[in-house]
Amino acid sequence: GAVVSQHPSRVICKSGTSVKIECRSLDFQATTMFWYRQFPKQSLMLMATSNEGSKATYEQGVEKDKFLINHASLTLSTLTVTSAHPEDSSFYICSAPRSGAYEQYFGPGTRLTVT
Amino acid sequence: EDKVVQSPLSLVVHEGDTVTLNCSYEVTNFRSLLWYKQEKKAPTFLFMLTSSGIEKKSGRLSSILDKKELFSILNITATQTGDSAVYLCALPKAAGNKLTFGGGTRVLVKP
Repeated sequence: GAVVSQHPSRVICKSGTSVKIECRSLDFQATTMFWYRQFPKQSLMLMATSNEGSKATYEQGVEKDKFLINHASLTLSTLTVTSAHPEDSSFYICSAPRSGAYEQYFGPGTRLTVT
Repeated sequence: EDKVVQSPLSLVVHEGDTVTLNCSYEVTNFRSLLWYKQEKKAPTFLFMLTSSGIEKKSGRLSSILDKKELFSILNITATQTGDSAVYLCALPKAAGNKLTFGGGTRVLVKP
């Protein structure tokens, strides 16, 4: 299967600071990547679609100014949580499909804790 | 609106038992159905199903799709404690497009 990496795997930050999470497709190019968040014992909630060369598409209720997404290249998307608050503490996961394929591969996730 | 419903919500079995997980769906344009296993980290890909009646198999796991009745089954035979996880079913809206997830089935295998 394809490999998707995320960095960092775990981050603790203070309230009011910004945190950047990277998602990389390691052995394939991904024109689209997806960002999810997951609270304990809940299913994945899609936050936004990251598009290489154009603006991200956000799901209803997700603040685009708070969760900045940049798809810098065909193998890298970043999610920046700006002015983080404790309620932003969650597990953030990215996924990427191979171009033209239906199956998607997930990164290992980033656990964000805002104190 | 596309819907994916998984059942049961959770189950507890003992090692050696067989489990059967169900995923029912209503989508406007069926492309494929994906099964994932999620332990403590992000989901890992198990199967992709596109055709009715063709079983996909990987070790003790197998899955089949019924496009007439709009459901898929994931079977795990001779369960082991390492099978304890949440099993997720998802359908993509199109190739390379976002997934609609079911709520997942939490499986606990006791020794």
